[in-house]
Amino acid sequence: RKEVEQDPGPFNVPEGATVAFNCTYSNSASQSFFWYRQDCRKEPKLLMSVYSSGNEDGRFTAQLNRASQYISLLIRDSKLSDSATYLCVVNTGFQKLVFGTGTRLLVSP
Amino acid sequence: DVKVTQSSRYLVKRTGEKVFLECVQDMDHENMFWYRQDPGLGLRLIYFSYDVKMKEKGDIPEGYSVSREKKERFSLILESASTNQTSMYLCASPPRAAGDVGEQYFGPGTRLTVT
Repeated sequence: RKEVEQDPGPFNVPEGATVAFNCTYSNSASQSFFWYRQDCRKEPKLLMSVYSSGNEDGRFTAQLNRASQYISLLIRDSKLSDSATYLCVVNTGFQKLVFGTGTRLLVSP
Repeated sequence: DVKVTQSSRYLVKRTGEKVFLECVQDMDHENMFWYRQDPGLGLRLIYFSYDVKMKEKGDIPEGYSVSREKKERFSLILESASTNQTSMYLCASPPRAAGDVGEQYFGPGTRLTVT
């Protein structure tokens, strides 16, 4: 079983739609959680951290469920520019990050 | 603005060649990481370093070595390149005293093809 699992997609949605991604992790001792965004042929960049209380950044909302060991990312009012691959990332200790394989999002006009 | 640079964007090498991938960061960070990214496998950690001359194996160190002689530079070495090392190689460096250890700044990547 992979340490971090994501649905690879692609998720095809129209502009303005709301879309949600989930991610599960296997190490119950994991300390912190993140979503990264990776554009085609580019490097990953931190999108947002995920806190137990849930957090929101504009159109993006991240949630953590430690009991069920899953993380979610909700994108509201999707834009064309949101098209990318979203990586779920888990910190298992001392800055060692475990990356999911990513979920691809395609937003169409 | 943090900058992580890598020596080449694209590289083609022959089987058996010794390959050097260079990574430089300009923010005086202590920690530096090398990953490779493959379709369906995601990013996997090869080696990391938390100080000059210090190195730690990641999850897939076989076939690789590293060198960190100066704080700003972290080199990945393929001693004898093989076709299964064809991949995208990404260098990353988190801020030195990051409260949020998940923020890693990545270089643009080197796409290595071994023929």
